[in-house]
Amino acid sequence: KQEVTQIPAALSVPEGENLVLNCSFTDSAIYNLQWFRQDPGKGLTSLLLIQSSQREQTSGRLNASLDKSSGRSTLYIAASQPGDSATYLCAVIPPGGYQKVTFGTGTKLQVIP
Amino acid sequence: NAGVTQTPKFQVLKTGQSMTLQCAQDMNHEYMSWYRQDPGMGLRLIHYSVGAGITDQGEVPNGYNVSRSTTEDFPLRLLSAAPSQTSVYFCASSPIAGPTFYNEQFFGPGTRLTVL
Repeated sequence: KQEVTQIPAALSVPEGENLVLNCSFTDSAIYNLQWFRQDPGKGLTSLLLIQSSQREQTSGRLNASLDKSSGRSTLYIAASQPGDSATYLCAVIPPGGYQKVTFGTGTKLQVIP
Repeated sequence: NAGVTQTPKFQVLKTGQSMTLQCAQDMNHEYMSWYRQDPGMGLRLIHYSVGAGITDQGEVPNGYNVSRSTTEDFPLRLLSAAPSQTSVYFCASSPIAGPTFYNEQFFGPGTRLTVL
């Protein structure tokens, strides 16, 4: 069974710092990996979808990388801002599709002004 | 586009009561699903549907029923609420069940349910 781990569970950084969030998975037979942002009391907002054939995907200050062989994805946030404060979740989508998706428990990020 | 909408936002039930959580999407997505989110655990799939009239169980289906009579709507029914069903419930949709490239899931804002 796929297991997805996000460490650390919480992270606090000063504004302006570059940071990396980690997502580890045990089964490398994945199809896509999706990063989400969740604000308190809100739903999940998709940030980046990275395909298994890709090594990385970029959107603005965000960059997601994927290394299937090591079972790891990272989300890089450049020049962090207080508005980046949220919980970041990764989801591993296997060849079986969304019916078999596995979510991590998330990293709660606080960016201090 | 309203995207994925859910009602109600908050609900308090007593043990044994039944209720229906509503979910609708206006993106003509084939695939819809329900998750629950509990502290310290990742989102867990309750039920899903790959199209109107087709539903199936996810990881944690016990105590819940679903139906999908239209493409747009996918209600989740709690038959006899239990305190263990206290959670935040999210509905999600995607163009198809996948997998294909560029097939993203879109989430609703969630329903926070407390069962006393």
